Amino acid sequence: GAVVSQHPSRVICKSGTSVKIECRSLDFQATTMFWYRQFPKQSLMLMATSNEGSKATYEQGVEKDKFLINHASLTLSTLTVTSAHPEDSSFYICSARSPSGGYEQYFGPGTRLTVT
Amino acid sequence: KQEVTQIPAALSVPEGENLVLNCSFTDSAIYNLQWFRQDPGKGLTSLLLIQSSQREQTSGRLNASLDKSSGRSTLYIAASQPGDSATYLCAVVSGTYKYIFGTGTRLKVLA
Repeated sequence: GAVVSQHPSRVICKSGTSVKIECRSLDFQATTMFWYRQFPKQSLMLMATSNEGSKATYEQGVEKDKFLINHASLTLSTLTVTSAHPEDSSFYICSARSPSGGYEQYFGPGTRLTVT
Repeated sequence: KQEVTQIPAALSVPEGENLVLNCSFTDSAIYNLQWFRQDPGKGLTSLLLIQSSQREQTSGRLNASLDKSSGRSTLYIAASQPGDSATYLCAVVSGTYKYIFGTGTRLKVLA
């Protein structure tokens, strides 16, 4: 149980275009999901907290107009990178808060974004 | 602001050695501490989760301890194998369910 999936696993897009990444909780409902970014040889940095039915909360320094987050259902959150640039190339990982209401998060397998 | 540091940043050991990875955090008011491994280009695999009321957790050859008062956790790997080669990350949960990740330790176990 507690499986989180992401789609796509890899995406290549051209500079200036937008790309959407999906994060799904497969066997549980997740009122809260999180989005992280990981640059090569660095650790994961939290970008934003996504709450079902309300606006996402962004961490300091993350541009909310560039990284659009939508959590329209209890099993799906999406991250749209708008007007992507090569510096947005990164590994994006989502997670979902445990359905038991505790503090544990379950992580997706990640999406590798390359902007050319 | 919570900061999480891992030492060493990289480690190379011969197969069969027992080893210890260290994780330290600046704010002891945490709910959980969790250890993960990450293979190159892959996502996270959860290894052990220690709740704030616990002192240690064990799974197979892995043992993780937590000392909240000193802001430290250690991950002990017994009888290391080449398949243990990966990056090991610790993360603490404090504040509003947020995970703060450490800087990572890149482990290489030589056959």
